[in-house]
Amino acid sequence: RKEVEQDPGPFNVPEGATVAFNCTYSNSASQSFFWYRQDCRKEPKLLMSVYSSGNEDGRFTAQLNRASQYISLLIRDSKLSDSATYLCVVNSYSGGGADGLTFGKGTHLIIQP
Amino acid sequence: GAGVSQSPSNKVTEKGKDVELRCDPISGHTALYWYRQRLGQGLEFLIYFQGNSAPDKSGLPSDRFSAERTGESVSTLTIQRTQQEDSAVYLCASSLAHRSYGYTFGSGTRLTVV
Repeated sequence: RKEVEQDPGPFNVPEGATVAFNCTYSNSASQSFFWYRQDCRKEPKLLMSVYSSGNEDGRFTAQLNRASQYISLLIRDSKLSDSATYLCVVNSYSGGGADGLTFGKGTHLIIQP
Repeated sequence: GAGVSQSPSNKVTEKGKDVELRCDPISGHTALYWYRQRLGQGLEFLIYFQGNSAPDKSGLPSDRFSAERTGESVSTLTIQRTQQEDSAVYLCASSLAHRSYGYTFGSGTRLTVV
């Protein structure tokens, strides 16, 4: 089983719609969780951390479900500029890869006008 | 500097030549990471440095790859006798402390081996 799994998509969503995608992780010892955004031919950029109680940043809401070992990202009122690949990232203090942060392969989102 | 700086931004080299990629992390960031990303693929971990500790080289794909870091500053990734499969974007990231925080990435070096 892969350590961090994401649906690669693409998700084709009309502008203004709400879109959500999940990510599952295999290491129950994982402590920290992040969503990164990567635009085409650009480096990944931190979008938001994911806290146990869930957190919101403008149109973006992140949730964590430790019991089921998944995190989610919800985007409301989607904009054309939201088109990107969203990377789920998990930080494990045991396992999770030698580097401590394990990156999913990303979910590709396309917002259509 | 304000961000992670990588150079060169693009490098085209002939098969068999050596290349050296440079990363200048954010000042004060003790952890530094190198990743490789092939076209359309996810991030592939290569190596990380944490302060003055011995680097974790477990992700390096072959002995043609090596990296150095001087203290908590600049790092160089060297690829010897480049092969076409080495063509990728090489991303460097730094962090305040290993595993504790999200990473800040540089804009990468796009390496093309012809």
